[in-house]
Amino acid sequence: DAGITQSPRHKVTETGTPVTLRCHQTENHRYMYWYRQDPGHGLRLIHYSYGVKDTDKGEVSDGYSVSRSKTEDFLLTLESATSSQTSVYFCASTGTKQETQYFGPGTRLLVL
Amino acid sequence: AQSVTQPDIHITVSEGASLELRCNYSYGATPYLFWYVQSPGQGLQLLLKYFSGDTLVQGIKGFEAEFKRSQSSFNLRKPSVHWSDAAEYFCVVMDSNYQLIWGAGTKLIIKP
Repeated sequence: DAGITQSPRHKVTETGTPVTLRCHQTENHRYMYWYRQDPGHGLRLIHYSYGVKDTDKGEVSDGYSVSRSKTEDFLLTLESATSSQTSVYFCASTGTKQETQYFGPGTRLLVL
Repeated sequence: AQSVTQPDIHITVSEGASLELRCNYSYGATPYLFWYVQSPGQGLQLLLKYFSGDTLVQGIKGFEAEFKRSQSSFNLRKPSVHWSDAAEYFCVVMDSNYQLIWGAGTKLIIKP
């Protein structure tokens, strides 16, 4: 499996505070993704990156921003967290062929 | 629009019995298809994938899936389930932009 880590693994925060989640991969993968997982849904794409400083929006991008200053790191920021952003967040990465995405362990976020 | 349907939210199977999880997709071209598994509180692990060629694909942990173009299906099977197979299973389609479209998941419960 690809070496993908996420930090923090668990976070509790209050409505209106900024939150940053970090994804780190050691596979030199070009593409990285942020998803959220909610009950009754499969994963939904928030943002993705196709290279350093190259990012694009996914299906559910409102309220989220991302940054990628290095190949190995992809940050997801909630500028002002809301209760609707309580979810489990997964990061994934894949190489140039984009054939298979490998997932991190997830971050469980609770916004009170 | 592309979509993936997993008609069974929950399935209960006795240990040692056979298993089939259903997946239907809506996609214009020949899809890339995946099954991922998520054990309780864990991340997502790739079970198997289909890109082309033999329509019966073998995966890890004794799972297999069959691509049937005429039925737009990619059902997952296992001849004899073990208690450790209790998990949530996701059927996934990759679209032409290499984005993943996820089914809502099927939770597998194993009866002793």
